[in-house]
Amino acid sequence: GENVEQHPSTLSVQEGDSAVIKCTYSDSASNYFPWYKQELGKRPQLIIDIRSNVGEKKDQRIAVTLNKTAKHFSLHITETQPEDSAVYFCAARNSGGYQKVTFGTGTKLQVIP
Amino acid sequence: DAGVIQSPRHEVTEMGQEVTLRCKPISGHDYLFWYRQTMMRGLELLIYFNNNVPIDDSGMPEDRFSAKMPNASFSTLKIQPSEPRDSAVYFCASGTSGALRNEQFFGPGTRLTVL
Repeated sequence: GENVEQHPSTLSVQEGDSAVIKCTYSDSASNYFPWYKQELGKRPQLIIDIRSNVGEKKDQRIAVTLNKTAKHFSLHITETQPEDSAVYFCAARNSGGYQKVTFGTGTKLQVIP
Repeated sequence: DAGVIQSPRHEVTEMGQEVTLRCKPISGHDYLFWYRQTMMRGLELLIYFNNNVPIDDSGMPEDRFSAKMPNASFSTLKIQPSEPRDSAVYFCASGTSGALRNEQFFGPGTRLTVL
């Protein structure tokens, strides 16, 4: 089955700096890569996703990149703000009709004001 | 839409007792997922359903865990007997194959504590 590794497990940045979270996946058939944000005590929520036919996607201050050859993808947050503090999960989904995704272990991001 | 609804939000029970967690997915969603979240193991998929049929239960840790989806608007996750190591936050999520975006919508979770 799919295996997703995520690094780093914790990340502290100064407000206004950029943050980068990296993930690798094992199954070359995976074709969809969502990122979820979980604030303290809350539920995970999808913030951005990318499909395997796209190399990069941006949404305001967040962007994701995908390298299919190397089987890794990354989340980039620019101009970080205190409200970006949360746990971020990457995930990978195999092709086919099933919706099952495999989540990474999470990155706890702390933005220091 | 109220989103995914889970009950109870908190459950404290003693070892050996039966625990039943409940979930109401978003109306019209054909996929339902049960996850367990702990500090040690992160977010683990336990089981998921498509059109009320269990598709993959390989994440269910032991025979003590069982899940059902008797209709499109209700699912249960049962632990019998419960053990302290079952303490975790259990999330239910739903999604639809008909959407452009393969988003899973999570419920608020049930925080289970087994003493």
